[in-house]
Amino acid sequence: AQSVSQHNHHVILSEAASLELGCNYSYGGTVNLFWYVQYPGQHLQLLLKYFSGDPLVKGIKGFEAEFIKSKFSFNLRKPSVQWSDTAEYFCAAKANQAGTALIFGKGTTLSVSS
Amino acid sequence: DTGVSQDPRHKITKRGQNVTFRCDPISEHNRLYWYRQTLGQGPEFLTYFQNEAQLEKSRLLSDRFSAERPKGSFSTLEIQRTEQGDSAMYLCASSLGGGWNTEAFFGQGTRLTVV
Repeated sequence: AQSVSQHNHHVILSEAASLELGCNYSYGGTVNLFWYVQYPGQHLQLLLKYFSGDPLVKGIKGFEAEFIKSKFSFNLRKPSVQWSDTAEYFCAAKANQAGTALIFGKGTTLSVSS
Repeated sequence: DTGVSQDPRHKITKRGQNVTFRCDPISEHNRLYWYRQTLGQGPEFLTYFQNEAQLEKSRLLSDRFSAERPKGSFSTLEIQRTEQGDSAMYLCASSLGGGWNTEAFFGQGTRLTVV
């Protein structure tokens, strides 16, 4: 069955530190991969997505993620975090076939101190 | 605001009562999804519709859960005989088409507390 694992439950960083959040998926076929962010009190918002092509994808607010097929990974990175990046981050995968739904990881809470 | 709208935002109910939540998707979106999110977990897929047809419902948590989208626009999620374990955030999302490269947009959710 398709599943998504996020290894870090809670990450605490100081402003300007670099960020990398791990995400691994379990699915034998072709998948589409997403990172969503949920700021306190707000709805889930798409940060970035990978469908095909360049495995390094860039999203909003300076985030990027790299798809490594051999490792079944899609880690999220940001070179320098800001206090406003404090939020919960969810990795999600969707099988590359019509009619399937997003499957989410458990999420990683990022706390950035100023 | 033309995003996905959910009503109510919060619901407190006594155990054993029935509750119904409403979701209004983005107007041109034909796909509508329901998810449940509990504390410390990611959203868990429940069911989805394409227009008025419910195409996947095997993930609904029990036969106490049901969803409808009668005219292919708004949708309702009903939980009968609520239990304390039903306390969670219920999220709705919509997308234009259901192909592999479509993006789902989420509402702010309905937080259910069963006392």
